[in-house]
Amino acid sequence: QKEVEQDPGPLSVPEGAIVSLNCTYSNSAFQYFMWYRQYSRKGPELLMYTYSSGNKEDGRFTAQVDKSSKYISLFIRDSQPSDSATYLCAMSVDYGQNFVFGPGTRLSVLP
Amino acid sequence: GAVVSQHPSWVICKSGTSVKIECRSLDFQATTMFWYRQFPKQSLMLMATSNEGSKATYEQGVEKDKFLINHASLTLSTLTVTSAHPEDSSFYICSAKTRNTIYFGEGSWLTVV
Repeated sequence: QKEVEQDPGPLSVPEGAIVSLNCTYSNSAFQYFMWYRQYSRKGPELLMYTYSSGNKEDGRFTAQVDKSSKYISLFIRDSQPSDSATYLCAMSVDYGQNFVFGPGTRLSVLP
Repeated sequence: GAVVSQHPSWVICKSGTSVKIECRSLDFQATTMFWYRQFPKQSLMLMATSNEGSKATYEQGVEKDKFLINHASLTLSTLTVTSAHPEDSSFYICSAKTRNTIYFGEGSWLTVV
């Protein structure tokens, strides 16, 4: 079993839809969780950062962490074509160290 | 957010030559930087962890003599691909660690012909 699993997609949704992106993990010691967005041929861009369980909201983006289920989610409201990218989850046990990345989910938002 | 600059963005080199890629943290000091490789439609593969003032730590299967990493200052790490071959053609990305997260550079496309 991989340490972090993520559906690679591609996930296609119409413009304006609510998008749900998810990662599951096996290491219960992970405490720090991040979501990155990567456009084609670009480096990943940090979207959201959360610690431990709970929700965090930033504009159209909401990150959820459920440590009991070892499951994290990123929700995108009112999705736009410009949201089309690959979304990577990442997590770590230690403060700022040893990040483990998921393989990424490719999202296409169709106009 | 923090900015990490990577240069060059694109590079083409002849087989057998060496090429250097720079990674700079522009508005923060990074004691630790990371180098990744990414093939098309695949995830990031960590190659090595670069620590300022000390030798890099390479992941299993990564040739340290082929991928030379130098972290000479708190804001600069370099990756040199030595004696490049076509199979080294890939997207190379660096990242730099702040207190509790990491920020990525824009990546460098290397094509070896």
